[in-house]
Amino acid sequence: QLQLQESGPGLVKPSETLSLTCTVSGGSISTSDYYWGWIRQPPGKGLEWIGSIYYGGSTYYNPSLKSRLTISVDTSKNHFSLKLRSVTAADTAVYHCARHTFVHGMDVWGQGTTVTVSS
Amino acid sequence: QSALTQPPSASGSPGQSVTISCTGSSSDVGGYNYVSWYQQHPGKAPKLMIYEVSKRPSGVPDRFSGSKSGTTASLTVSGLQAEDEADYYCSSYAGINNYVFGTGTKVTVL
Repeated sequence: QLQLQESGPGLVKPSETLSLTCTVSGGSISTSDYYWGWIRQPPGKGLEWIGSIYYGGSTYYNPSLKSRLTISVDTSKNHFSLKLRSVTAADTAVYHCARHTFVHGMDVWGQGTTVTVSS
Repeated sequence: QSALTQPPSASGSPGQSVTISCTGSSSDVGGYNYVSWYQQHPGKAPKLMIYEVSKRPSGVPDRFSGSKSGTTASLTVSGLQAEDEADYYCSSYAGINNYVFGTGTKVTVL
């Protein structure tokens, strides 16, 4: 069955770049049926869609994060990645990756990885 | 884009029903029949419970149902069970491949 696993540093310094990777196993990321997205959840708060990518490379970003955000895909490694620049404490959150369509919702999620922004 | 508005909390006794609202605008909930609902237990990843307003993925009990009227979507959990105690989030397509979540509702089974 399809599984997603987030990986990356758990601690990032303010003003630096947060980098995470989501590895897809049990299936191919190169499917025309789905998008691959990032969602975050600050401590004690709700979910926020960060952005998504299609296997061909088309990207879709939350307008509030667009200026700091890059999402990319590497089909040879069956993974996609997130880079968020110039982070502040407000970017501290659990970061999830998920498979989705914009119509049918997010049906497969990674377990999430905690990222803390602190000096 | 603004988060969709949900009540912070809802509760019910075992066997009862609870309904959670999710209010947006004509740019999201009101403009598309692409509302989804997610259940999240503490420390766990969200789980898709409803998509396209009222459809249930395979394996989701029929105690969970969804509906929409205008710019407000609703999730009803009937026959409440202890394991239904969780946070629930709505989400909606918001046009041009944009996506927005609700503020979240904590459901307590009394």
